[in-house]
Amino acid sequence: EAQVTQNPRYLITVTGKKLTVTCSQNMNHEYMSWYRQDPGLGLRQIYYSMNVEVTDKGDVPEGYKVSRKEKRNFPLILESPSPNQTSLYFCASSFGPTSEQFFGPGTRLTVL
Amino acid sequence: DAKTTQPPSMDCAEGRAANLPCNHSTISGNEYVYWYRQIHSQGPQYIIHGLKNNETNEMASLIITEDRKSSTLILPHATLRDTAVYYCIVRVVLPSLTFGQGTILTVHP
Repeated sequence: EAQVTQNPRYLITVTGKKLTVTCSQNMNHEYMSWYRQDPGLGLRQIYYSMNVEVTDKGDVPEGYKVSRKEKRNFPLILESPSPNQTSLYFCASSFGPTSEQFFGPGTRLTVL
Repeated sequence: DAKTTQPPSMDCAEGRAANLPCNHSTISGNEYVYWYRQIHSQGPQYIIHGLKNNETNEMASLIITEDRKSSTLILPHATLRDTAVYYCIVRVVLPSLTFGQGTILTVHP
């Protein structure tokens, strides 16, 4: 089944403790993105990648890192999480720049 | 990116067509119109997109006005499972999307 998977689905952590949210797609898509969703602010893009080793900032990249060492994986790294990064995070992938984006199920992160 | 304006909420009776409007008066010639929806807190789901011509797929139809300043998403026979937040997004050819507040569509029996 074609899908985007994210892990973990739920995470509660404390300020400053490094964490990684994994994202994997099995559709051989070139493009992958990370979004965060906050009440009243909609979904905002954090980072995106157009291919292996090619990444770029989205609208709200501060406090996040990404890497694209393999085509299928696009992990989101929070080196020193802070409470303002408490949010619902979505990973997405697409075949091309105008293709539909497939979204993962989401990761609900709480930073205390 | 062109800004979009959508009504905050709409209601529709089950089995009837749901027509969701979107204004994008500042759209430029190379910007596409995309529609996604999000059911509760699930990942957004792609519905349809278009540039100039009207488009139809198994889920919906997209009607874009001739001047491209507005569009309408049509769900021909709405069901209770179509209750969701619907997002109209205007974007150039890039894999990044900025979602606004969208329209909360409630389909009632």
